[in-house]
Amino acid sequence: GAGVSQSPRYKVAKRGQDVALRCDPISGHVSLFWYQQALGQGPEFLTYFQNEAQLDKSGLPSDRFFAERPEGSVSTLKIQRTQQEDSAVYLCASSLDRRSSYEQYFGPGTRLTVT
Amino acid sequence: AQSVSQHNHHVILSEAASLELGCNYSYGGTVNLFWYVQYPGQHLQLLLKYFSGDPLVKGIKGFEAEFIKSKFSFNLRKPSVQWSDTAEYFCAVTNTGTASKLTFGTGTRLQVTL
Repeated sequence: GAGVSQSPRYKVAKRGQDVALRCDPISGHVSLFWYQQALGQGPEFLTYFQNEAQLDKSGLPSDRFFAERPEGSVSTLKIQRTQQEDSAVYLCASSLDRRSSYEQYFGPGTRLTVT
Repeated sequence: AQSVSQHNHHVILSEAASLELGCNYSYGGTVNLFWYVQYPGQHLQLLLKYFSGDPLVKGIKGFEAEFIKSKFSFNLRKPSVQWSDTAEYFCAVTNTGTASKLTFGTGTRLQVTL
């Protein structure tokens, strides 16, 4: 079946531009996570949704980062006024349930380059 | 806050050599432990996981990991690597509380030569 998909796969933005990154989770998955992976590092948690509720946004690095999942399926991560330090791969993962016993399935990521 | 350390950043092995990748975590409570793998050009995918019970966990493709609570370690092993095991390997941990956000290590890049 279809896995987690993300679009665009690559995004180049000029510093100061706003960007929107989309995640389509696996159908029926309740939990959705966003992670940021800088070059040479492991993924770092940004935010978590259960259905449409954003239950944890402790990892968002600044108020320029905003995520939503209005209907409990597709999610969008928005970055306003992009800075060079925002350059990274943004990973989305979904899980059938919030409990850690349920595997998180990762998408291919969106590679954001801010010039 | 929990953290994960992977001390081997880049490992080069010949085919058929044995593999052990180190993973240590820092957290005072009960944890769940994972190894994820990312093959070139592919998504992160789960290799194996430990929640409770037998501390020796077997995963896909002949990989196994052993949870040693006293050492806060969860090292990944494979007796004989193949060229197709060339990939980046990430150790990750969650606590057993509510939301299961993963804390990852920095990853180990494994290169297997023929």
